[in-house]
Amino acid sequence: DAKTTQPNSMESNEEEPVHLPCNHSTISGTDYIHWYRQLPSQGPEYVIHGLTSNVNNRMASLAIAEDRKSSTLILHRATLRDAAVYYCILRAFETSGSRLTFGEGTQLTVNP
Amino acid sequence: EAQVTQNPRYLITVTGKKLTVTCSQNMNHEYMSWYRQDPGLGLRQIYYSMNVEVTDKGDVPEGYKVSRKEKRNFPLILESPSPNQTSLYFCASSFQGRGEQFFGPGTRLTVL
Repeated sequence: DAKTTQPNSMESNEEEPVHLPCNHSTISGTDYIHWYRQLPSQGPEYVIHGLTSNVNNRMASLAIAEDRKSSTLILHRATLRDAAVYYCILRAFETSGSRLTFGEGTQLTVNP
Repeated sequence: EAQVTQNPRYLITVTGKKLTVTCSQNMNHEYMSWYRQDPGLGLRQIYYSMNVEVTDKGDVPEGYKVSRKEKRNFPLILESPSPNQTSLYFCASSFQGRGEQFFGPGTRLTVL
């Protein structure tokens, strides 16, 4: 599986935008970029995913670089509930397995 | 409410005493999977199932068994638990193995 690199931790203030970066320089053409987050004492939660174009949903936006070697998860207005570990994961378009290989992720702290 | 449930949520046991952790989903998902989460190692896949009666090994299957007799249930069986299986376990499910994965709340297992 191609590897992703994320900062260990980031800090934000409540109601401000947050940009969480992810580098994936060895991404292949069929790898989707997935983001999950894990709130304290809970299981991982799907946030968003994309292939080439930028994506938006009710939780966040995903901006993908033109060369696809990096991406950024954007939380438009951070809330205290967004404090979590955010994982950037590459997932091949495969017919079986659907393994999600989680790294260490980015611990996001949101200050009131 | 669409959800993945796991039982028990917490379990302390002794080496060699067989145990089963249950997992159930109410979303009619074909794909189900078990992960374990350990500090510094992230989440690692133990076993997965693409459909009823179809199971396969993930990255760390040693010491575990699974079965998929019904679509909604995917129990994880530890025939002879050992202390190195002390971990936080998550069950997940998704539609056809490619989409968003829904995770259960986790089972914290301690083997003495």
